[in-house]
Parts: sequence; structure tokens; C-alpha cells
Amino acid sequence: AQSVTQLGSHVSVSEGALVLLRCNYSSSVPPYLFWYVQYPNQGLQLLLKYTSAATLVKGINGFEAEFKKSETSFHLTKPSAHMSDAAEYFCAVSTGFQKLVFGTGTRLLVSP
Amino acid sequence: DAGVIQSPRHEVTEMGQEVTLRCKPISGHDYLFWYRQTMMRGLELLIYFNNNVPIDDSGMPEDRFSAKMPNASFSTLKIQPSEPRDSAVYFCASSLRPWGESEAFFGQGTRLTVV
Repeated sequence: AQSVTQLGSHVSVSEGALVLLRCNYSSSVPPYLFWYVQYPNQGLQLLLKYTSAATLVKGINGFEAEFKKSETSFHLTKPSAHMSDAAEYFCAVSTGFQKLVFGTGTRLLVSP
Repeated sequence: DAGVIQSPRHEVTEMGQEVTLRCKPISGHDYLFWYRQTMMRGLELLIYFNNNVPIDDSGMPEDRFSAKMPNASFSTLKIQPSEPRDSAVYFCASSLRPWGESEAFFGQGTRLTVV
């Protein structure tokens, strides 16, 4: 069965600094990979997804993620953090015919 | 479209009471999902429907939980009787296709507190 591991339940950055949120996956078949963002008291919103096209995926709000098969990773990055990026971020994996499996989430804290 | 609409946003109930959570999916979406989010277990898929038919309810924790989708625009998740350990945020989501083939849109959730 597929699974994802998010390293770090909390990540703190300063405004303007690089954001790096880590996600490693496990899947026996080529996966679909996703990053979702959850703002306080809101549902999840799709940031970006990888579906076997380009390995570098660009999403909304300046985020991007790179699929690295050799490392089984799909880390999320943003060159310059903004205060409004403070939220919880979830990595998820699917094989396309099995349910989405979510990671435990990483809370991003942005300080001025 | 207004997105996935869930009601109520907050529910506080006493142990033993029946609780009904409601969801209106996005029009035209054939798939509807119910998730539960807790600190301990994260996001768990409880059940999903395709064209109003329950396909997989293996995530439903106990017989106290039941879900229905009487038509394409409405679904309910019922807990009877409720227990304090059911306290969580319950999300409904809908999509055109399942499992990432198309984007799943989430509602804002219902925060359930059972005292």
C-alpha cells in the first residue's frame, strides 16, 4: 500500500526566507503526488499535483515541488516566504485507482 | 459554484445523542468523500460514494457511523450514539474523478465536540 512521510511536524521560517517542506513517499507503482494547504478553520486546498508529466511541478501562490524517483521524494519549496503562507501543509499519494493517503501534515510558521 | 458546502460548521452535543452532518457537493461531481481529521490520526477517509452509491466504507470506525447519499446533491454522515472520542473535524470532499485524476474540492468542515 502507498504511504507518505512528512519530516517535521513544524517548520519555522522568517519572512522572505526559503520554504522547504519535506515529503517522502512509498508506492509500488508510479504514483500521483499532491500537496494540499489548510488554513485555520478551512478545508484543504490543492496547491499542486504530480501525475507523471514534468518532474518539476508549479502550483499556486509561488510554490513548486520536484518529483525525484531515485529519492522517492516530493519536497515542496517556495523561494521567499510570506506571512500569508502560514498554514498546515499535507502531502498525499495515490496510485490513481486507490484512495488518497495523506501525510500527518507540517505546520509552517512564518515570523516577521 | 459555491464549492462544497457543509453544515453545521460547529456542533456541540452530549454523549449518547445522535449527530447528523450534512454535505452538498459541487454540481456535476460524481465522487463524494467523507474524511475525519484528528490530532492523533490525521486525515482518515471514512467512506466514499460514486454516483450516489457507497463504494468503500471500510474506513467507517464503528456501526455507530452511517452515511447516505439520497441524491447527487446531498449526503449525510450520522453518528448514533455519539461518544467523546468522536470529537474531530469532519470534511466532505467531491471530485469529478477519484484519487487524483481530478482535483478533490473540500468543504470547510464540521467541528464536532461530544461532551
